[in-house]
Amino acid sequence: DTGVSQDPRHKITKRGQNVTFRCDPISEHNRLYWYRQTLGQGPEFLTYFQNEAQLEKSRLLSNRFSAERPKGSFSTLEIQRTEQGDSAMYLCASRKGDTDTQYFGPGTRLTVL
Amino acid sequence: GESVGLHLPTLSVQEGDNSIINCAYSNSASDYFIWYKQESGKGPQFIIDIRSNMDKRQGQRVTVLLNKTVKHLSLQIAATQPGDSAVYFCAERGGANNLFFGTGTRLTVIP
Repeated sequence: DTGVSQDPRHKITKRGQNVTFRCDPISEHNRLYWYRQTLGQGPEFLTYFQNEAQLEKSRLLSNRFSAERPKGSFSTLEIQRTEQGDSAMYLCASRKGDTDTQYFGPGTRLTVL
Repeated sequence: GESVGLHLPTLSVQEGDNSIINCAYSNSASDYFIWYKQESGKGPQFIIDIRSNMDKRQGQRVTVLLNKTVKHLSLQIAATQPGDSAVYFCAERGGANNLFFGTGTRLTVIP
């Protein structure tokens, strides 16, 4: 257990529905990252926060994806109008600003039917 | 752009033997590299990292070697144990301090 938690761990939804995932980073970590991982592949970077500021979002997969970190602590990732191709593991990672190492949470497994 | 690749997708070793997992990267300006272990259904677990100003770094039973000349990274696991069976990823740091991952190598330890 790295101390990064994600909720829910599993989500099954129907195509067209909206879903929201939550990430709670390690408490003193001010940097937070979202990644997506499909079967057999390495994690793919989506977006990055430093405190509450979203510093990089150009790699979000489409305008159906959005993320927030309103108080600089937990973060949410929302996918609107889900498609079957959105089925994947969504991973959150955090790090302390003066260190390099990113610590990952257990992920949220999304299945879109 | 950055890309990270692995030479072998699968590796099988006998318990007690040493394992070597290789990784190639393409961005010669990359300054930081990291190895993760991922077990089925779990998030990546940090193993060891190395900055580009180093050639070698050792941890507990693990060693990372960095060869900047040929843009190659390797992870050595000493006395491999059944609990080491997992997928191993190398990653390099990108411009937003994000990580770029390769496809991964599945390590299977044979008892």
